[in-house]
Amino acid sequence: DIQMTQSPSSLSASVGDSVTITCQASQDINNWLNWYQQKSGKAPKILIYGASNLEEGVPSRFSGSGSGTEFTLTITSLQAEDFATYYCQHYDNLVRIGFGPGTRVEVK
Amino acid sequence: EVQLVESGGDLAQPGGSLRLSCEVSGFTFSRFDMSWVRQAPGKGLEWVASIADSGAAPQYADSVKGRFTISRDNSKNTLYLQLNSLRGEDTAVYHCARVFLSVDPGDKSLFYFYMDVWGNGTTVIVSS
Repeated sequence: DIQMTQSPSSLSASVGDSVTITCQASQDINNWLNWYQQKSGKAPKILIYGASNLEEGVPSRFSGSGSGTEFTLTITSLQAEDFATYYCQHYDNLVRIGFGPGTRVEVK
Repeated sequence: EVQLVESGGDLAQPGGSLRLSCEVSGFTFSRFDMSWVRQAPGKGLEWVASIADSGAAPQYADSVKGRFTISRDNSKNTLYLQLNSLRGEDTAVYHCARVFLSVDPGDKSLFYFYMDVWGNGTTVIVSS
């Protein structure tokens, strides 16, 4: 099974900061990697699919990059509504799916 | 408006069974793969199961394989998850989600599979 790790597990930031979250896969997963945002008590929301594609309606301050085993989610100019937990999620053509443990972005 | 509404969550005893439902509206249900994802209290997201648009090829996480069954009734616009042999570690909020699936046989980098619409979830508590 593919194992996903995320770093950091949590971070503190201020409005206007730029933050980067890293997701690492235990083996090469091409670009088969998605990013979700989850606010407390709410359902997750897709942000980035296929490692670098911005979902329609998601602000352009969110961006994703990477391929193989190393991926990043970057939020430039953090806004108040961006404080949340972020999950990476891998998939493959056999519908084997897994989520990373999450990164909590908190107010400094 | 696209909506997914889960129901069926309840308190169940270890070893017991529950059936979760996810009623959808606002899109053509029979054209989309669907998934269930759960979240234990204070924990992260865990994929549970997925099913193709036709109802074929169900796939399961190892943690639920042999105990849970995903199914769908396209005539009723409803997705199901049958939970049997329940354990304490099955306690969670269960979300259903619509799957966006796109495949380009000639370019694996253009293979996309992600959950683009989610329900708010239904709560399952397994306890004696």
